[in-house]
Formats: sequence, C-alpha cells, structure tokens
Amino acid sequence: GNSVTQMEGPVTLSEEAFLTINCTYTATGYPSLFWYVQYPGEGLQLLLKATKADDKGSNKGFEATYRKETTSFHLEKGSVQVSDSAVYFCALSSGTYKYIFGTGTRLKVLA
Amino acid sequence: GAVVSQHPSRVICKSGTSVKIECRSLDFQATTMFWYRQFPKKSLMLMATSNEGSKATYEQGVEKDKFLINHASLTLSTLTVTSAHPEDSSFYICSAKAPDNEQFFGPGTRLTVL
Repeated sequence: GNSVTQMEGPVTLSEEAFLTINCTYTATGYPSLFWYVQYPGEGLQLLLKATKADDKGSNKGFEATYRKETTSFHLEKGSVQVSDSAVYFCALSSGTYKYIFGTGTRLKVLA
Repeated sequence: GAVVSQHPSRVICKSGTSVKIECRSLDFQATTMFWYRQFPKKSLMLMATSNEGSKATYEQGVEKDKFLINHASLTLSTLTVTSAHPEDSSFYICSAKAPDNEQFFGPGTRLTVL
C-alpha cells in the first residue's frame, strides 16, 4: 500500500540555518504530494504541494520538488526563523483523495 | 482560503459518556469529509471517510459502533465517540474536500476522557 517516510526529529537549528527535512514515499500511480505544518495546539495548515513529477511547490521561503525517480519530496528552506518552529508533515494523496501522512518532524529553531 | 471549523475545540468528559464533535465547511460544500485521530507526538491516522447522504467508510481497525459518523448536509459532518474511555483521549481532526478536490483541515478537537 501507499506510505510516507519522514526523517525522525526533532531537528534543532539556529536561526538563519539551512533546513532540509527528508520525505520519501511509496505509491502506485501518480500521487499528489504535500507538506503540512502544525503549530502547537493547532490543526494542520497546507504549506505547499506538487501534483506531478518535477513540480516544485513553494511558499513562505519553503520549497520541495516532486522527484519521481527517487520517490522523494524533501522540504528545504534557506534561512529558518524562530517562528518556523513547528511540526512538519509530509503527505500523499492518491485517486481516492485519502491522505497518507508521515510521522511528522518537529523543528525547533533557536534564536 | 477555505475555512473548516470544528466544535468544540476542547472537551473533557467522564468515562462512559458520549461526545459529539462537529466539523463544518464554512464557505464551500463538501460531499466528502475525513476524520483523523492524532496521538501525542505521532502522525495523523485516518479513521473514516464521511460521505454526504450515505454511510461512512471506516478504515481497518476502527470500530464503527464506537465512532459514529453522520454527514447529514453538504457542510456538516459529526463524529460521536460513544461510551468514551480514557484510551479514546486524543486529538481529532477533520478535513473537508472542496469541489476542486483540495482538502482543508479543521483546527482539531482535543478530547480528554477522565
């Protein structure tokens, strides 16, 4: 079946450091891929998405490229801020529109 | 962007009682909504797919008699946790599928069963 694997956290970085959170997936067909962010005590917010191979999703300085050859959708940001501290979830959606989520990666950015 | 609300945001109940959680799509009609459960420091687990006007489809291992889902209108789905026990304590999140197939998530409901 479909699955999403994320790097385990927590990830602790200093402000302005470069961020990479790895995400790989297993799926039949051509799923859509997503990154969601969850701030403490809140629900999920869509950060970015890509719907086909080689698409690059971007938002608020975050980027991720849909790599079909490596089945990956790694999240990157060139310079993180304290306000980026949150839990990040990688997810995929297939034709049934059900979402499969990764286990989440907690990011902590220190001033 | 589209907004999905959940009510209540937090609920504390005694063991053995039932709790109803509402999920509303505020500015679009959603024929399909999804209910997830999130354990502390864990990912979201899909519990069921709620289809307007028909029975919900439950994921393997989810007790349909325990978690009753009703999707009576195009903007409202409800999840009722029946005869709640402490192990049902969790964060419950719904999502609604918009007409363009994008999904929007609610802010979640934290259930604590004493």
